[in-house]
Amino acid sequence: NAGVTQTPKFQVLKTGQSMTLQCAQDMNHNSMYWYRQDPGMGLRLIYYSASEGTTDKGEVPNGYNVSRLNKREFSLRLESAAPSQTSVYFCASSESWGNSPLHFGNGTRLTVT
Amino acid sequence: AQRVTQPEKLLSVFKGAPVELKCNYSYSGSPELFWYVQYSRQRLQLLLRHISRESIKGFTADLNKGETSFHLKKPFAQEEDSAMYYCALTPQGQNFVFGPGTRLSVLP
Repeated sequence: NAGVTQTPKFQVLKTGQSMTLQCAQDMNHNSMYWYRQDPGMGLRLIYYSASEGTTDKGEVPNGYNVSRLNKREFSLRLESAAPSQTSVYFCASSESWGNSPLHFGNGTRLTVT
Repeated sequence: AQRVTQPEKLLSVFKGAPVELKCNYSYSGSPELFWYVQYSRQRLQLLLRHISRESIKGFTADLNKGETSFHLKKPFAQEEDSAMYYCALTPQGQNFVFGPGTRLSVLP
C-alpha cells in the first residue's frame, strides 16, 4: 500500500507560471485535502473534498483551484504562481470528513521566484 | 473561532530527560484532539489521539477540559524523538485545525 502519493516532490516556478500538483490515495478514503505548511504557521487548509464530486474552500484558497478527478485523485492547480505561494504542500486523505485521522503524502516543495 | 496554540517553537532537552510539549486549544464544544509528528524528511503521521487513550512510542497526552490543554509527555526522551510535533483539533463537523508546531530537539 502506497497510501497517499504526491507528485512532484520539488518544483521551481517563475512568477506567473502555472502548474498542477497531483495526489492519489489507495486507501479507498472518501475525503481528501490540500494543505500548505509555512514556518511558524503550521498547516493551513487550502481546499478539501469531503466526498467524491464535492470540493470546498478552506482557510487560504486564493490563487488555487482543485479538481476531484475521481475517488482516488485530487489535484491542486496554481494558475498564475506568485512568490507568496512558495511553500511545502501536503495532500491528505481520511476515511470520512470530520474527525477521521488524516493520512498525509510526502509533500511537494514549491519555490516561486 | 477554534484555535490551537503551541507556545514553544523549539524545545531542547537532553537524552533521558522528561519532555512535555504544550498544546492549548479554544473550542466551546467537545473537542477531538490529535498529535501528529513529522520526522526529518518524512511525511506527517498520526502519533496519538485522545479518544484512544493509548501510549505510542512512550508518549502520552491527557485532555484537560478545564485548562483546555492536551500536552504531550514522555518520561525519558530519546534522540530519535527529535522531530516536529503538531497538535490538532477537530471541531465537530468541521475540518482539522492545526497548531503552529513545536520542534523537539533531543540532545545526546
